Amino acid sequence: DQQVKQNSPSLSVQEGRISILNCDYTNSMFDYFLWYKKYPAEGPTFLISISSIKDKNEDGRFTVFLNKSAKHLSLHIVPSQPGDSAVYFCAASVTSGTYKYIFGTGTRLKVLA
Amino acid sequence: DTAVSQTPKYLVTQMGNDKSIKCEQNLGHDTMYWYKQDSKKFLKIMFSYNNKELIINETVPNRFSPKSPDKAHLNLHINSLELGDSAVYFCASSPLPPIYGYTFGSGTRLTVV
Repeated sequence: DQQVKQNSPSLSVQEGRISILNCDYTNSMFDYFLWYKKYPAEGPTFLISISSIKDKNEDGRFTVFLNKSAKHLSLHIVPSQPGDSAVYFCAASVTSGTYKYIFGTGTRLKVLA
Repeated sequence: DTAVSQTPKYLVTQMGNDKSIKCEQNLGHDTMYWYKQDSKKFLKIMFSYNNKELIINETVPNRFSPKSPDKAHLNLHINSLELGDSAVYFCASSPLPPIYGYTFGSGTRLTVV
C-alpha cells in the first residue's frame, strides 16, 4: 500500500521557468512533510519541509504548498536552474512515536539550458 | 569529512553468501536508519535504532540483522543472500524529532548474482 505517491516519474523544464513537482498521500494522519533532492550516486539531501499547520513554506527559490483537504503537496522551483536537475522525493510522517518517514518514488527533473 | 559514511559503496556477491554493510555517522545524532531502494525506486524503511535500541523493525526477512555497537554506528548483516536482495541500501541518521529529516549516506549498491 503506497501511502505517498509521485505520479510523474519525470519532468523537463526550460531554464528560468517554474518547475512544479507534485505529491499525493493517502494517510490523513500524516502531519509533517519533506522534500528531498537526490543526485546520482549520492544519498538524498533535505530540501524543505512543511508542517500540516501551514499551507505554504518558502526558502529562496523553493516553495512547498500543502493542500490538506486534497492530501496533496507540491514543490515549486522558481526560477529553475540546470543545477536543479535531480530526482526529487517527497516524504511524509506522523510527528509522534518513531517519526517514520514514508517516501514517494521520486520525480526526475531535468532543467534544460 | 563525511557526515554519514557507508562501506562498501558497491558490493557484488553470489546467492547464498553472507555480507555486511557498515555505517558510521559523526553528527552526534541519536537515531540511525536503514532504507532500501529497490528497482522500482521505492525508498522503504527497514530498521531504526535510537541510542542502540531498536525502535523500528519493518516487515523485513529475518535474514537481515541490524547491529548497533554504539549510537554512531549501525551495521547491516544479510545472511543467505537472494537475487531479490539486489538494491541500493541507504543508511541515515537524525536527531529526534527529525524535523529536518534525515542525513543520508551515499548508498551501497548490492548486486546478488
